[in-house]
Amino acid sequence: SQTIHQWPATLVQPVGSPLSLECTVEGTSNPNLYWYRQAAGRGLQLLFYSVGIGQISSEVPQNLSASRPQDRQFILSSKKLLLSDSGFYLCAWNTGLAGTGELFFGEGSRLTVL
Amino acid sequence: AQSVTQLDSQVPVFEEAPVELRCNYSSSVSVYLFWYVQYPNQGLQLLLKYLSGSTLVKGINGFEAEFNKSQTSFHLRKPSVHISDTAEYFCAVTPAGSARQLTFGSGTQLTVLP
Repeated sequence: SQTIHQWPATLVQPVGSPLSLECTVEGTSNPNLYWYRQAAGRGLQLLFYSVGIGQISSEVPQNLSASRPQDRQFILSSKKLLLSDSGFYLCAWNTGLAGTGELFFGEGSRLTVL
Repeated sequence: AQSVTQLDSQVPVFEEAPVELRCNYSSSVSVYLFWYVQYPNQGLQLLLKYLSGSTLVKGINGFEAEFNKSQTSFHLRKPSVHISDTAEYFCAVTPAGSARQLTFGSGTQLTVLP
């Protein structure tokens, strides 16, 4: 069966420090991968999605970047965090081509920037 | 492009009462529809989905939803809620057969009161 792992679960970082959140999927190949953010009291905001290694689409201009160095690995990064980067970050995957679009989510990473 | 509107941001309801969470969508093509639930500090879990066929869809935890094409709605219902149903609920839509990315509503916080 497929599983998705996301870490770290919680992170407290000072303003201006770097960020790296990692997500890996097991049990499937060539998944579509996504990073979402939930700010306090707000809905889901799609940040990045990827349909293959090295292929990243950004949905909103921001202080963050994403990379996909391997088929089932998706990394969210920042060189210098801002206060506004605080939030709950969710990684998700679905199957390409023959799928229904159904998304499978990781457990989330809570980032607090101080 | 698709859009989703969840008409109620917060729904308080007493335990064992029925509940309906409303979702309307907009799309020029056929769609797949989903309801997800998110418990505090967790990722999203799929409650149910409509792909085709019967317009009444049954999901986990006693929830069901009805697809109404003429009213472009996909409301979520449960005849008797429990305290444990307290969570945020998200409606989502994707073009049928796209398998790309879901468009989410802004979420409805369901709070079940004792």
